[in-house]
Amino acid sequence: EVQLVESGGGLVKPGGSLRLSCAASGFTFSSYSMNWVRQAPGKGLEWVSSITTSGGYTYSAESVKGRFTISRDNAKTSLYLQMNSLRAEDTAVYYCVRESTSLADSFDIWGQGTMVTVSS
Amino acid sequence: QSVLTQPPSASGTPGQRVTISCSGTSSNIGRNNVHWYQHVPGTAPKLLIYRINQRPSGVPDRFSGSKSGTSASLAISGLRSEDEADYYCVAWDDSLSGKVFGSGTKVTVL
Repeated sequence: EVQLVESGGGLVKPGGSLRLSCAASGFTFSSYSMNWVRQAPGKGLEWVSSITTSGGYTYSAESVKGRFTISRDNAKTSLYLQMNSLRAEDTAVYYCVRESTSLADSFDIWGQGTMVTVSS
Repeated sequence: QSVLTQPPSASGTPGQRVTISCSGTSSNIGRNNVHWYQHVPGTAPKLLIYRINQRPSGVPDRFSGSKSGTSASLAISGLRSEDEADYYCVAWDDSLSGKVFGSGTKVTVL
């Protein structure tokens, strides 16, 4: 079964750091670009960051540039999001998402999400 | 504020047809693929339409997509109670070098 399982969420103070992980299984992880998408309470979905198959290229939303870093370990079939200088507006459910080239680079598999709360 | 604009809400009675618009610019919808997602709060979002009008396996043909210029649309025909959800359009934006989501539309089945 194709599966993405996020972990690492929790409560952190403003200015603090957190590292999210996403364990992938059931597919050839190294063949897919991966993404993080978030949803703040009461708000819509927001794309956060993406990384190509080998990790050679990364892209991030303006709202997190310079603070968040996406990375991956293909040997461990895992995706990561290092979040630094966290702000209250980063409070959200963070989803790990697979991007499918066969489906025109759409997001075809989503994890269940992990909650990040930034509050003092 | 989202780069892609959607109406905040849409509604219909069972069996009716509902259409959701997604307005963008030449740097996103105008030159790139548009995808649509269905999101029932508390669950993982689901891919509904990819490449403007293609349905992934398992998505009923009641859902259809289209695009004209810098706008795209999602249509739900034969509306059913299980279609109550939030719907989002997404496209790559060449100017931002990133994906952009629509503001989301909440569909209510009356």
